[in-house]
Amino acid sequence: EVQLVESGGGLVQPGGSLRLPCAASGFTFSSYWMHWVRQAPGKGLEWVSRIKYDGITTNYADSVKGRFTISRDSAKNMVYLEMNSLRVEDTAVYYCARGAMGFYYFDYWGQGTLVTVSS
Amino acid sequence: QSALTQPASVSGSPGQSITISCTGTISDVAGYNYVSWYQQHPGKAPKLMIYDVSNRPSEVSYRFSGSKSGNTASLTISGLQAEDEADYYCTSYTTSSTYVFGTGTKVTVL
Repeated sequence: EVQLVESGGGLVQPGGSLRLPCAASGFTFSSYWMHWVRQAPGKGLEWVSRIKYDGITTNYADSVKGRFTISRDSAKNMVYLEMNSLRVEDTAVYYCARGAMGFYYFDYWGQGTLVTVSS
Repeated sequence: QSALTQPASVSGSPGQSITISCTGTISDVAGYNYVSWYQQHPGKAPKLMIYDVSNRPSEVSYRFSGSKSGNTASLTISGLQAEDEADYYCTSYTTSSTYVFGTGTKVTVL
């Protein structure tokens, strides 16, 4: 069974940093793109970033480029989102999602972890 | 990258059909057949309903269908049921090698 479990959310001050881990299981992790998608309270979904199975190719939304870094550890089946220079508008539930193999959609999602940026 | 445009809300009575539109640009919806649709119930993670414009995963009801014309994709729910009441989001791959979501549509079953 495919499982994605995010953690690391919490309260952080504006300008602060936070790292979100996502633990993957139930599939061959090293064969899939992995994504982060976020949802501000009461708002819509926003794609944040993705990382290729090679761990090298990455892409980011303009809203987080230069502040967030996605990475992965295939030995541990983990994907991470390092968030720096956090802003109030980064407050959201952050979902880890698997990119379907050979396709351009998200076939499995985690339950999300809440990040609150506030003073 | 601006969000794709969806109607804020759509409603229908049980058994009726409704259609949700998703309008983008040549850089996303019109440029690729990589539009997917997700259903989200309150407090839950999104669930894939349609991928590559019109393909339905085996576990999704036949009542859900997708299509595209130019820069507008559509999701149709036929035989509307109470459990279809949820938020729906479209998304598309883009020419910038990123993804863009729609603004979201709240479906209400009257």
